[in-house]
Amino acid sequence: ETGVTQTPRHLVMGMTNKKSLKCEQHLGHNAMYWYKQSAKKPLELMFVYSLEERVENNSVPSRFSPECPNSSHLFLHLHTLQPEDSALYLCASSPRAGYSGANVLTFGAGSRLTVL
Amino acid sequence: SQQGEEDPQALSIQEGENATMNCSYKTSINNLQWYRQNSGRGLVHLILIRSNEREKHSGRLRVTLDTSKKSSSLLITASRAADTASYFCAPYMYSGGGADGLTFGKGTHLIIQP
Repeated sequence: ETGVTQTPRHLVMGMTNKKSLKCEQHLGHNAMYWYKQSAKKPLELMFVYSLEERVENNSVPSRFSPECPNSSHLFLHLHTLQPEDSALYLCASSPRAGYSGANVLTFGAGSRLTVL
Repeated sequence: SQQGEEDPQALSIQEGENATMNCSYKTSINNLQWYRQNSGRGLVHLILIRSNEREKHSGRLRVTLDTSKKSSSLLITASRAADTASYFCAPYMYSGGGADGLTFGKGTHLIIQP
């Protein structure tokens, strides 16, 4: 385990369902991230949170809704998804970049999402 | 942050051989990081090299950085089957904000043949 835990590890949902992905870190980090990894594509940075404030949203469709209630938890709420949204969703955390300027990310194991 | 481009896209070698993969990027950086991803898992940070460093070692890993050519290389010596994975570089320039997501390319998929 890396210190970043993602649940569930696998999720199958229909296009009309509503589900959530959860990420939890116990590293004392202040920044958290959602990435999407589809087959044959580079990782896509979806959302960035710093001290629970969303600082980046890379043109992600509104059917993906992030929530960061505190610096240890990050959620990705999913609703009315499309089959092309099937992918591995990765959560990561890091100390605030301003502290060291290094911004090393620690990733969770991912949530494999299949949309039918 | 900018995206690095890894080369080659795929590499297959015999166990015990050395594996070299390259990364190119476009603009100035503070540091460059390399990550490994085993199939279907999250990325794992391997090594970070700062812009004022030319070479860095960690176990069987050797990373070089040439800022004049905007390129980096990752060498894995005496490869093992467990090194089979995808490898990604992440060039990073601190923007002054509280958090910057790293941007990754498609990676180099390394296969170690027994």
